[in-house]
Amino acid sequence: ILNVEQSPQSLHVQEGDSTNFTCSFPSSNFYALHWYRWETAKSPEALFVMTLNGDEKKKGRISATLNTKEGYSYLYIKGSQPEDSATYLCAPRAGANNLFFGTGTRLTVIP
Amino acid sequence: GAGVSQSPRYKVAKRGQDVALRCDPISGHVSLFWYQQALGQGPEFLTYFQNEAQLDKSGLPSDRFFAERPEGSVSTLKIQRTQQEDSAVYLCASSLRQGDRNEQFFGPGTRLTVL
Repeated sequence: ILNVEQSPQSLHVQEGDSTNFTCSFPSSNFYALHWYRWETAKSPEALFVMTLNGDEKKKGRISATLNTKEGYSYLYIKGSQPEDSATYLCAPRAGANNLFFGTGTRLTVIP
Repeated sequence: GAGVSQSPRYKVAKRGQDVALRCDPISGHVSLFWYQQALGQGPEFLTYFQNEAQLDKSGLPSDRFFAERPEGSVSTLKIQRTQQEDSAVYLCASSLRQGDRNEQFFGPGTRLTVL
């Protein structure tokens, strides 16, 4: 079992603001880290799979960085829009199989 | 193409009732996972299949929980004699192959409420 912490637990931002969240995880036995975006009543949507220390990935206005040596990943959203409102989950893997999820950061973007 | 589907989407059960939750993974995906998400928590691993073989069931909370994938495609998670603490969202995910860094594709989940 991996102890995964995400902060903040929830966040309200104004439309157009940029924001970021943190995911902390044990740095030992790192295999991969997944970020998901989960809107209510929908399937969690895969955003990124990150494997290498120093990885940076970008998808539109969303980007993520990874530091496996110190055990953290940041997710950034530039110019938040109301449709970005969702819960953002990070899930590291210590091995080849199951994911260990944090409790997520619930983002609300206020129009 | 079709993603992972789950049925039913919502299930209300009386305490003590048996329930069966179904997962249809993406066609051709070898690996299938079940997760349980209790209110206010992140999803927690229950069990994992590679084709029809259940390779890891360490996350199943009690012997009332049973999962199968007899033909290596559709999977069913069965909960016997449901208790109130079983109320949660049950998520299914599939992945193309084992040991892969590619993402797991999730279904929308089944929300189980035990009264």
